[in-house]
Amino acid sequence: QVKLVQSGAEVKKPGASVRVSCKTSGYTFSGYYIYWVRQAPGQGLEWMGWMHPRSGGTKFAENFQGRLTMTRDMSISTAYMELSSLRSDDTAVYYCAREKERIVDFWGQGTLVSVSS
Amino acid sequence: QSVLTQPPSASGTPGQRVTISCSGSSANIGRNSVNWYQQLPESAPKLLIYNNNQRPSGVPDRFSGSKSGTSASLAISGLQSEDEADYYCAAWDDSLNDPYVFGSGTKVTVL
Repeated sequence: QVKLVQSGAEVKKPGASVRVSCKTSGYTFSGYYIYWVRQAPGQGLEWMGWMHPRSGGTKFAENFQGRLTMTRDMSISTAYMELSSLRSDDTAVYYCAREKERIVDFWGQGTLVSVSS
Repeated sequence: QSVLTQPPSASGTPGQRVTISCSGSSANIGRNSVNWYQQLPESAPKLLIYNNNQRPSGVPDRFSGSKSGTSASLAISGLQSEDEADYYCAAWDDSLNDPYVFGSGTKVTVL
């Protein structure tokens, strides 16, 4: 069955970077986009960007330009999201999800990133 | 603030029908398909409706979606206690740098 399993919670200080992993299984990793979406406490969903594993091509939301990196390791079907220059308002649950033909269907369980001095 | 507008809350008693609206523009809902997600407390979003009105395997037919012009709707008929959750619409947007936009979310309460 399709699974996206994310890395565990992180606590970071302002100005630091965080990397979240998303290990996939149960489908062909190279055939689906990987989306990253975040949700601040008590808030709605915010699209951050996407990456296509086959090409490595990415597109980021304007809010994250210059701070966001998305990479992948094809050998272990895993995608990574790295956000730098963290601020307190980056505290959120970060989700990965897969997409194909405009259907975003399976999601990871989420990773809480807390940013505090 | 979200590009797609939803009412913050909706409610109903068990067995009732509840409808949630999602208002957008010609750049998003007006020309692209709409997806709906259900987010139970402390859980990841789950795809409920795709391509405006299609249900993934396993989603009960109590859930239905529709689209007209620049608005979309999610209907829950025969409301059940386990339907208490947050619901989000989403669509692709051709006008912004952010091509995938979410609604503001609607909290459904079962009275």
